[in-house]
Amino acid sequence: AQSVTQLDSQVPVFEEAPVELRCNYSSSVSVYLFWYVQYPNQGLQLLLKYLSGSTLVESINGFEAEFNKSQTSFHLRKPSVHISDTAEYFCAVSPVAAQKLVFGQGTRLTINP
Amino acid sequence: NAGVTQTPKFRILKIGQSMTLQCTQDMNHNYMYWYRQDPGMGLKLIYYSVGAGITDKGEVPNGYNVSRSTTEDFPLRLELAAPSQTSVYFCASSYPELEGYTFGSGTRLTVV
Repeated sequence: AQSVTQLDSQVPVFEEAPVELRCNYSSSVSVYLFWYVQYPNQGLQLLLKYLSGSTLVESINGFEAEFNKSQTSFHLRKPSVHISDTAEYFCAVSPVAAQKLVFGQGTRLTINP
Repeated sequence: NAGVTQTPKFRILKIGQSMTLQCTQDMNHNYMYWYRQDPGMGLKLIYYSVGAGITDKGEVPNGYNVSRSTTEDFPLRLELAAPSQTSVYFCASSYPELEGYTFGSGTRLTVV
């Protein structure tokens, strides 16, 4: 079985500051890794994913995440946040052999002006 | 617009009532899922389907039923609503190659 732990339930930062949202996972098999974003009163949208290849993956809006197999982590980072990044962020894993996402508890990112 | 459509968006049920949450996708995805989202708990998988006629239980299936008669539709049935089923329900679909899930906008259900 897989499990995902997002180490911070809430992260407040000031606009234009850097941010890191932490995600650790546990699995006895190889996994794919994902970050999803949920804006208020909306469904989840895929932000970025790691399937194979380069361990550093990027999204179109400036977020990046690095897969660290030895530390079983997939932390999400952005060097400079904007008010529009205010949302809840979910880390998720899926076994390579089975398409079934397991989600973390979510991290609420709040951007203060 | 193509995607996953959920109805209704909001519903209040009394204890013991039944209802069906509808989910339709027009992307010809084989895989479909139902999740519930509770504050601070992330999303928990209720049921999933890998194709028409095939369904399987997820992490929290008790109190729910599903069917998948067509590729497009994956309704979730609550037979005897209980307060513990108060939640936001999300339907999602995906390709087998795991390009990521497409989520619906959710159904907010309150059982009183």
